[in-house]
Parts: sequence; C-alpha cells; structure tokens
Amino acid sequence: DAKTTQPNSMESNEEEPVHLPCNHSTISGTDYIHWYRQLPSQGPEYVIHGLTSNVNNRMASLAIAEDRKSSTLILHRATLRDAAVYYCILHNNAGNMLTFGGGTRLMVKP
Amino acid sequence: GAVVSQHPSRVICKSGTSVKIECRSLDFQATTMFWYRQFPKKSLMLMATSNEGSKATYEQGVEKDKFLINHASLTLSTLTVTSAHPEDSSFYICSARLGTSGVAEQFFGPGTRLTVL
Repeated sequence: DAKTTQPNSMESNEEEPVHLPCNHSTISGTDYIHWYRQLPSQGPEYVIHGLTSNVNNRMASLAIAEDRKSSTLILHRATLRDAAVYYCILHNNAGNMLTFGGGTRLMVKP
Repeated sequence: GAVVSQHPSRVICKSGTSVKIECRSLDFQATTMFWYRQFPKKSLMLMATSNEGSKATYEQGVEKDKFLINHASLTLSTLTVTSAHPEDSSFYICSARLGTSGVAEQFFGPGTRLTVL
C-alpha cells in the first residue's frame, strides 16, 4: 500500500470543526482513502472512506483533492469523545489488510 | 455496524506459559480475519492474516510457531502466544472484514492486553 503522511498531533476546541490532513502523493488509481480512529485502549473503528468524490456520513466528511494526492477528514463539531488517534490509510482491491501509519493524535479541549 | 468481540480483554501470565486469545464475529461471517499487535504509543502492526479453513499468512518477522493462529469456523479465529516472554507483552487486536471486496470496511475487536511477568 502507498504511504500516507499525517501530522503527529493536533488540538481542537470542543464544539469547533476539525480538519485533519493527510498527504498521499504516491496514491495509485485503484487506492481508496480510508480513515479509522482509535480511542484510548480500544480497537480502531471505521470512520469513512472514498475514492474520488467527497463523502459524508454521520461521523464525518471526507474531502479529497482533485489530484487525489491529499485528503482531509472533517469533524464538523468536535466533542471530547472525538479525542483519538486518527489514521489515514490507502487501500485497494489487491490486498486485504490495512497498513497503519503513525496517525494523528487529536486532543479536544473543553 | 458489525460487531467483533475478543476474549479475554486482559490477561496476565507467567513467562513460559501459553495464552489463547479468541476473536469472534458476532453477527456476520468472516472468511478472513486479521491479527495486529500494538506496543505503547505505537501504531498497529499486522501480524498475520487468518483464513477460514486454511493456514494463516504471517507477516515478515512474525514467528508462526510462536503465534499460532487457528480459524476453524467463519465466526472464530484464535491466536495462541506460546511460551510467552515479557517482550510479548502488548495489545493484541483482531479485525474482520465484512464482505469479499478488498475495500470493504474492517471491524476491529476491542483488543486484548497481554502482560507477561
């Protein structure tokens, strides 16, 4: 799987939007962009994924750059429960497993 | 969403003993499950891919004789850490994929924290 680059950590205030960036300049045409998050002492949970178009679900929005070399996970109103490590992962049909990078540790301040 | 459970949630054992960790998909069948290991402040590292009815596929550097994986049914995979040593202390997490498409989301278990004394 191609590599992704994320900031090590970010801070946000409660009730404010959060934009988590991810760079994936070597993305291939068949790579989907997946986001998972891991709360402390828990297994990761799926957040969202997309291929080319922006995606919205009840948890978040995913904005994908036109050249697909970067993407942004958007939490519209951060809550304290959103404090977690967020992983941006590229995944395609050729492989089954997910390859986790370092992720971004999001801290939410009340 | 689909639910994956793990048992036990935490285990403490003496050096040299073996520990079995169970991973179950509760409301779906999973032909493929994955086992990860996570050390403190580190990311998840894939250990092996568990395939129902066949041998597991291990990642480079993971000893298959030390980490025994059995996927005897479509809802259960087990990881046995044999002759555990303190360096095997870690957070072990399993996941299962819903569907056969490679891009389908994966569902993760809550993890098992292993401490080897």
